[in-house]
Amino acid sequence: GQNIDQPTEMTATEGAIVQINCTYQTSGFNGLFWYQQHAGEAPTFLSYNVLDGLEEKGRFSSFLSRSKGYSYLLLKELQMKDSASYLCAVSSNDYKLSFGAGTTVTVRA
Amino acid sequence: IAGITQAPTSQILAAGRRMTLRCTQDMRHNAMYWYRQDLGLGLRLIHYSNTAGTTGKGEVPDGYSVSRANTDDFPLTLASAVPSQTSVYFCASSEQSGSSYEQYFGPGTRLTVT
Repeated sequence: GQNIDQPTEMTATEGAIVQINCTYQTSGFNGLFWYQQHAGEAPTFLSYNVLDGLEEKGRFSSFLSRSKGYSYLLLKELQMKDSASYLCAVSSNDYKLSFGAGTTVTVRA
Repeated sequence: IAGITQAPTSQILAAGRRMTLRCTQDMRHNAMYWYRQDLGLGLRLIHYSNTAGTTGKGEVPDGYSVSRANTDDFPLTLASAVPSQTSVYFCASSEQSGSSYEQYFGPGTRLTVT
């Protein structure tokens, strides 16, 4: 089975940096995904990590440590439009995803 | 390109009624998935299909059935709806090849069972 933990809520100021942590315990590992979900909308893909290290994509970066069962999503230069839920998901060997409950990020002016 | 479409957008259903949620993708992805999303619980996999003609059970399959007659369509049926099936339902698809297997989600169906 899969056990994926991430904080429920985080608040940050516009222009700041926020780091969302995700820890996981899985039977089989084939990669870790981060998705963004605005209220009332569908999740959209942000990043994918399968090897240890940092993947940078514009203002968003994602880090993975397989030995520690740990990932984080780093959001830099926060904008109001970044207010959303961020979902951590782990892929098992059969490509199915198990999702954490999501972290709601609120960006304040 | 529409990506993934779902119908209906929302529905209020009396308990005991049968309901089919529709999902269609135009990306020719081989794999499709159905999730339900409930507050505080995140997305939970109901059923999935790795290729046309095959289906499998996810984490919460009870009370739901699916079929995959072709690549594009993946309907989800509630045979006899119960109030605990009130949720937002998302259909997703992915291409299971190499490193390109991120899932793409439809807009969701908000279902209320009374």
